[in-house]
Amino acid sequence: EVQLLESGGGLVQPGGSLRLSCAASGFTLTNYAMSWVRQAPGKGLEWVSGIGGGGSTSYADSVKGRFTISRDNSNNTLYVQMSSLRAEDTAVYYCAKSSGHYELDNWGQGTLVTVSS
Amino acid sequence: DIQMTQSPSSLSASVGDRLTITCRASQDIDTYLNWYQQKPGKAPKLLIHAASNLQGGVPSRFSGSVSGTVFTLTIAGLQPDDFATYFCQQTYRTPLTFGQGTKVEIK
Repeated sequence: EVQLLESGGGLVQPGGSLRLSCAASGFTLTNYAMSWVRQAPGKGLEWVSGIGGGGSTSYADSVKGRFTISRDNSNNTLYVQMSSLRAEDTAVYYCAKSSGHYELDNWGQGTLVTVSS
Repeated sequence: DIQMTQSPSSLSASVGDRLTITCRASQDIDTYLNWYQQKPGKAPKLLIHAASNLQGGVPSRFSGSVSGTVFTLTIAGLQPDDFATYFCQQTYRTPLTFGQGTKVEIK
């Protein structure tokens, strides 16, 4: 059974940094593309970043240069390093696994990041 | 970036109703269009992928179709469990983009 478990969320001051983790089980990360998707309170879904099975990465313009997606193949864990955080980065962050047409077929439960002084 | 325009933003419906939600892409995305259902406090759930393919375990009252760059999610015979917010998403090109969402409420 595929499971994704995010962790690392919390309260951080503007300009600060945070690293989110997504522990994957039931499949091997390197065999699938993975994404981070966020949802600000009461708002819609926003794709943040993705990493392909081969390791290629991509980012939304809103986070480019501030966020870095990576993975640890030995631990089967996905990460996103977030820096220079802004109030508008406040959201629940989900990791999600992609399948054949890059649809997000499995999601974690989400972790809340709050950027506030 | 590819823009996804979803409509309506909300609607009220009754159990048993037939619903249609539309998503228009700003350019050709082939059939790289997916539909998700989200309930409050929960992660989104994939309903339909590649425009018209029902994800495993999803009831057959959900269906998807496409005409050019206009994609449609249909719920035939709304059930109490279907009251939720629905999002479309294109996965043709990064950045992957979502529609604004359609909240389906009980009339």
